Amino acid sequence: GQQVMQIPQYQHVQEGEDFTTYCNSSTTLSNIQWYKQRPGGHPVFLIQLVKSGEVKKQKRLTFQFGEAKKNSSLHITATQTTDVGTYFCAGRPQEGAAGNKLTFGGGTRVLVKP
Amino acid sequence: IAGITQAPTSQILAAGRRMTLRCTQDMRHNAMYWYRQDLGLGLRLIHYSNTAGTTGKGEVPDGYSVSRANTDDFPLTLASAVPSQTSVYFCASSRDWAGTQYFGPGTRLTVL
Repeated sequence: GQQVMQIPQYQHVQEGEDFTTYCNSSTTLSNIQWYKQRPGGHPVFLIQLVKSGEVKKQKRLTFQFGEAKKNSSLHITATQTTDVGTYFCAGRPQEGAAGNKLTFGGGTRVLVKP
Repeated sequence: IAGITQAPTSQILAAGRRMTLRCTQDMRHNAMYWYRQDLGLGLRLIHYSNTAGTTGKGEVPDGYSVSRANTDDFPLTLASAVPSQTSVYFCASSRDWAGTQYFGPGTRLTVL
């Protein structure tokens, strides 16, 4: 079945620094979604990418969808303590494949050192 | 109610007992989902429902059952709990199958 892998599993970042987390799918996707889960909280939707090569920005967060629609990345600039949490990508396969179910990656847990 | 709610917030359960986790949404969303979250494994889909009256199996359905008698409610039942079902369970809903998913606050279940 479809697999979605995220790296790194853990990311320790100094406050003010930049970092990137990566998401890779075993199958071509129709779209990819990103969610953030604060410690002790529930996942909250951040953004959806649909087009090949698409880039979207939300303040200090930049999301990119790969040209082949099999990978994605989240880049955070000038990390702040409010960025602490686990970031999940979730990929939906092409229509008709694997029941078209959304599959979540294992997440990247971000810890910020002040 | 605003959004999606789950009950109980947490539960400690003896192995072999039956347990139903409740999930209710007031957004009139057609699709609903149950996930379990275990450290390092992300969110794994247990069961889902595209619309009231229909359900389907996700990635890890064994030991769990669901029903969708109406639009708002989507209970998850563990017929005979086992320790490997210790996890945090999240219910989610979306307007339609391809839509953004909105998650409930979760139920932390411990099976001893």
